[in-house]
Amino acid sequence: DADVTQTPRNRITKTGKRIMLECSQTKGHDRMYWYRQDPGLGLRLIYYSFDVKDINKGEISDGYSVSRQAQAKFSLSLESAIPNQTALYFCASQGAADQETQYFGPGTRLLVL
Amino acid sequence: QKEVEQDPGPLSVPEGAIVSLNCTYSNSAFQYFMWYRQYSRKGPELLMYTYSSGNKEDGRFTAQVDKSSKYISLFIRDSQPSDSATYLCAFRDNYGQNFVFGPGTRLSVLP
Repeated sequence: DADVTQTPRNRITKTGKRIMLECSQTKGHDRMYWYRQDPGLGLRLIYYSFDVKDINKGEISDGYSVSRQAQAKFSLSLESAIPNQTALYFCASQGAADQETQYFGPGTRLLVL
Repeated sequence: QKEVEQDPGPLSVPEGAIVSLNCTYSNSAFQYFMWYRQYSRKGPELLMYTYSSGNKEDGRFTAQVDKSSKYISLFIRDSQPSDSATYLCAFRDNYGQNFVFGPGTRLSVLP
């Protein structure tokens, strides 16, 4: 089984709808991240969390919110989706002592119409 | 100037070719230099990393870092069709906790 899982894998929604993307990891990592990937722009950090009580904004947090429900679970919400949030979304986890390795989920492909 | 720039690609080479993938960066505080590989419809995974200037070799892959020029490279020898993927350079400094990723170069190795 995959160490980092994301649901759903694909989602089509309409402008103005609220949606939630979910992430779970089985690696026992404290650190979790949400990124979006756009062609030509690479991976950009949306939010990150170093433990259950720690939530931090990343480079592009506007229009997004997160919840760290447990060490293993980190969800991303789009409160009112807009078309420019159409992208590929990745969750990742990292061990506190691991300086160079983030473990990524398979991604969620989101289309906002 | 962008913090990280990467050859945009896409890059197509014949099987067996030597491939050079390159990134430049502007933040002199970066101390960790990484290459991630991303297959189509998958998440990125760490391929190689190094902490210092110089070369690091792992099988057919060599990572090269030149801190004085703020330039890193990944060389792939005897490239194989299974090397077809997008390659992302990534950086981290000693103080920040987050990575900065390049936009990626898509590589196709043709049989």
